[in-house]
Amino acid sequence: AQKVTQAQTEISVVEKEDVTLDCVYETRDTTYYLFWYKQPPSGELVFLIRRNSFDEQNEISGRYSWNFQKSTSSFNFTITASQVVDSAVYFCALSEAEGGADGLTFGKGTHLIIQP
Amino acid sequence: DTEVTQTPKHLVMGMTNKKSLKCEQHMGHRAMYWYKQKAKKPPELMFVYSYEKLSINESVPSRFSPECPNSSLLNLHLHALQPEDSALYLCASSRSGGSSYNEQFFGPGTRLTVL
Repeated sequence: AQKVTQAQTEISVVEKEDVTLDCVYETRDTTYYLFWYKQPPSGELVFLIRRNSFDEQNEISGRYSWNFQKSTSSFNFTITASQVVDSAVYFCALSEAEGGADGLTFGKGTHLIIQP
Repeated sequence: DTEVTQTPKHLVMGMTNKKSLKCEQHMGHRAMYWYKQKAKKPPELMFVYSYEKLSINESVPSRFSPECPNSSLLNLHLHALQPEDSALYLCASSRSGGSSYNEQFFGPGTRLTVL
């Protein structure tokens, strides 16, 4: 069975600090896909990134960066120079590739609070 | 157009009512999903449609009835709901057969209250 663990329930930092959100996953498949989504107070889930299991390259997009390490089954997300607009709940999610449509298994989410 | 729309935004219904939630996308996606999200919890998968056919039903009670009239539309028919069904209902779509290959794009959700 697949599982995603986000151990940090809530993180509060002051604006401009760097912050890392942890994600640890479990899966029996050798091929799988990892995602990060942002959910602001409005409720809509915003897609941030997808990472395939066979691509361990880290990625940077502006102030956002992701560190994927298969050896530790982790897919961590770092926000550099955080801003108040980054305040949201962030979900890490996993999908196992078995062909056809499947849904996402989400972690419990990390509520990130950026204080001005 | 990279948007998934959902109507209504809010819905209040009694336990004997029949109502429907609607989801629409015009991105040419062929997979569509319903998720349920309770307050301070992650979304939970309910149904998956692939090429307009129901491919996954996560043991959802029959008082929830999904329908996919065409590749752009997804409905969720509600009947005889319970107060514990109150939640945010999220619709999503992805490009082809599943999230294995493509990310899911979510709509803003319908916030349902069952009295």
